[in-house]
Amino acid sequence: EDKVVQSPLSLVVHEGDTVTLNCSYEVTNFRSLLWYKQEKKAPTFLFMLTSSGIEKKSGRLSSILDKKELSSILNITATQTGDSAIYLCAIDGGGSNYKLTFGKGTLLTVNP
Amino acid sequence: NAGVTQTPKFRILKIGQSMTLQCTQDMNHNYMYWYRQDPGMGLKLIYYSVGAGITDKGEVPNGYNVSRSTTEDFPLRLELAAPSQTSVYFCASSLTGEDYGYTFGSGTRLTVV
Repeated sequence: EDKVVQSPLSLVVHEGDTVTLNCSYEVTNFRSLLWYKQEKKAPTFLFMLTSSGIEKKSGRLSSILDKKELSSILNITATQTGDSAIYLCAIDGGGSNYKLTFGKGTLLTVNP
Repeated sequence: NAGVTQTPKFRILKIGQSMTLQCTQDMNHNYMYWYRQDPGMGLKLIYYSVGAGITDKGEVPNGYNVSRSTTEDFPLRLELAAPSQTSVYFCASSLTGEDYGYTFGSGTRLTVV
C-alpha cells in the first residue's frame, strides 16, 4: 500500500519568513509526486515532480524531488499572509488508473 | 464555464438515511473522482471513473456507490448513513489520468447524527 507522510503537521511563521515543508513516501512504482494548496475549500494544483522533472519553481514557491531519499520538499520564501493554507502532498504510485495517495497535509499559518 | 459543480454544499443526515451527492462537470473531462476529507487528514479516494459507464473502487469505498451514465455526471450515493461518514466530500475531474491539475468542486460538508 502506498504511503505519504508529511511534516510538520502544522507550522506558524511571520510574514517574510522562509518555510520548508517535507513529504516522504513509500510506493510500489513511483510515477509522480504532486503538491496542492488548499485554502478554505478545494485544493488547487501547484507542482508535479517526476523522474525527469525533479525541480520546479513558480514565483516564491519551489519544490525538489529526492528519489534516492524518497522525499520532496516545498519551499516558500518571503511568506505572505495569503500563503496560509494546508499544503497537501500526493503520490501516483504507478498503475493504469493514475490514482493518487495523499498525505495528511501541513497547515501553514503566516501571521502579519 | 462552471467547472465542477457539487450539490448540496451542506447536509445533515440522520443515521440510516440515504442521500445522493451530485457532481457535474462541463469540461468534457474523462476522469472523475470522489474524495472524502476528514479533519486533519488528507484526501482519501472513494470511487473514480475513467469514462462513461466505467467506475472503480478507491481506497475507502465501503458504504458508498457511484454511477457514470454520462460524461458530465458522477453522483455519489450513501446508503444507510453512519456517523463515520461525517466528512467533507470533494468531487474532481481531469481530462486524462496524467492530468494531475484536477478541477475540484467546492465540496459538500456532510454531518451524520
